[in-house]
Amino acid sequence: AQSVTQLGSHVSVSEGALVLLRCNYSSSVPPYLFWYVQYPNQGLQLLLKYTTGATLVKGINGFEAEFKKSETSFHLTKPSAHMSDAAEYFCAVTGGISNFGNEKLTFGTGTRLTIIP
Amino acid sequence: GAVVSQHPSRVICKSGTSVKIECRSLDFQATTMFWYRQFPKQSLMLMATSNEGSKATYEQGVEKDKFLINHASLTLSTLTVTSAHPEDSSFYICSARMGGGNTIYFGEGSWLTVV
Repeated sequence: AQSVTQLGSHVSVSEGALVLLRCNYSSSVPPYLFWYVQYPNQGLQLLLKYTTGATLVKGINGFEAEFKKSETSFHLTKPSAHMSDAAEYFCAVTGGISNFGNEKLTFGTGTRLTIIP
Repeated sequence: GAVVSQHPSRVICKSGTSVKIECRSLDFQATTMFWYRQFPKQSLMLMATSNEGSKATYEQGVEKDKFLINHASLTLSTLTVTSAHPEDSSFYICSARMGGGNTIYFGEGSWLTVV
């Protein structure tokens, strides 16, 4: 079984400042990890994912995340926030290759990112 | 890139009626699609897994007779909310996995309001 914890339901940062959204997971098997972004009244857009290989993954819009197995974390970062980054961000986990073909995603509760001009 | 499309994006229906939401994979075949439900300001909760050519697998607590899922082709899954009630009002989102890949794509979502 898998679970995801996103610390901080709301995060506010100034435009140009570092964005850090926290995600910790629990999984009984090597996980696949995802970050999705949801803009108001829209579906989810994949930002980035970790499956295997390099633990630092880069995504769209300048976001990146690092898989740290020892810390069971997959925090999302962006060096410089932009006004257009304001949205809801969801971290999700699935049971990796052992769950291949049955990719039920377990989502965190989401973090609403607000950018302060 | 891969696109998953949902229709309608917004629908209002009267209490007691049924409404169908379509989920299409536009440029790839999806043997498996997933239906999620999202209440305002909450996370997504998986409702069911839709398998092409077979019965859907429902998550615990989801009424299969109320939320009918049909996956008649490799590019289309439908969710029908039967005898809708105001508490069924929610944001419904589908997702699909492309072929042998490990990326899951989401549709734009469908807002259902039952009045």
